[in-house]
Amino acid sequence: DAKTTQPTSMDCAEGRAANLPCNHSTISGNEYVYWYRQIHSQGPQYIIHGLKNNETNEMASLIITEDRKSSTLILPHATLRDTAVYYCIVRSRGSNYKLTFGKGTLLTVNP
Amino acid sequence: GAVVSQHPSWVICKSGTSVKIECRSLDFQATTMFWYRQFPKQSLMLMATSNEGSKATYEQGVEKDKFLINHASLTLSTLTVTSAHPEDSSFYICSAKLAGGETQYFGPGTRLLVL
Repeated sequence: DAKTTQPTSMDCAEGRAANLPCNHSTISGNEYVYWYRQIHSQGPQYIIHGLKNNETNEMASLIITEDRKSSTLILPHATLRDTAVYYCIVRSRGSNYKLTFGKGTLLTVNP
Repeated sequence: GAVVSQHPSWVICKSGTSVKIECRSLDFQATTMFWYRQFPKQSLMLMATSNEGSKATYEQGVEKDKFLINHASLTLSTLTVTSAHPEDSSFYICSAKLAGGETQYFGPGTRLLVL
């Protein structure tokens, strides 16, 4: 599976949009981009995933560039409860379904 | 939907004893479950993949005789840490994949402290 690069940490003001970037320049055509987050001392929470098209759900939006080499997770109105480590993971479609977690981005939402 | 539970949420045991952790998919059938371990200030590391009715597949460096995995039904997988030692103290997290689906859903984790 392709490797991902994320900033170590980011800050965001409460109520503002949080835009978390992820670089996956070696992604191949059959690989999904997944986003999970882990709030301190809890199990990871699934946020969203996509293959080629942009995706939106009740939690977030996922914007994937046309060449698929990078993506951005958008939390439209960040709250203090969104403070967490956010993981961007690339996984082959229909493979053994393994997820390889990197270090992720620690997003801190400030009041 | 897609809720995964773990029991217990935390456990303290003496060195040399065995500890069993349960992972249940509450509202879906999971043909595949995964077990991860997370040490303080580190990321999750996959330990093994568990398929219902068959033997688990362990990642390199994970001792299968020490970490026994049983996936006897479509909603339950168990991890038994045998002869636990202080270095096994960690946060153990399971995940489950919906049958026919692509996405893993994670449990809340079990914190193990071996004294």
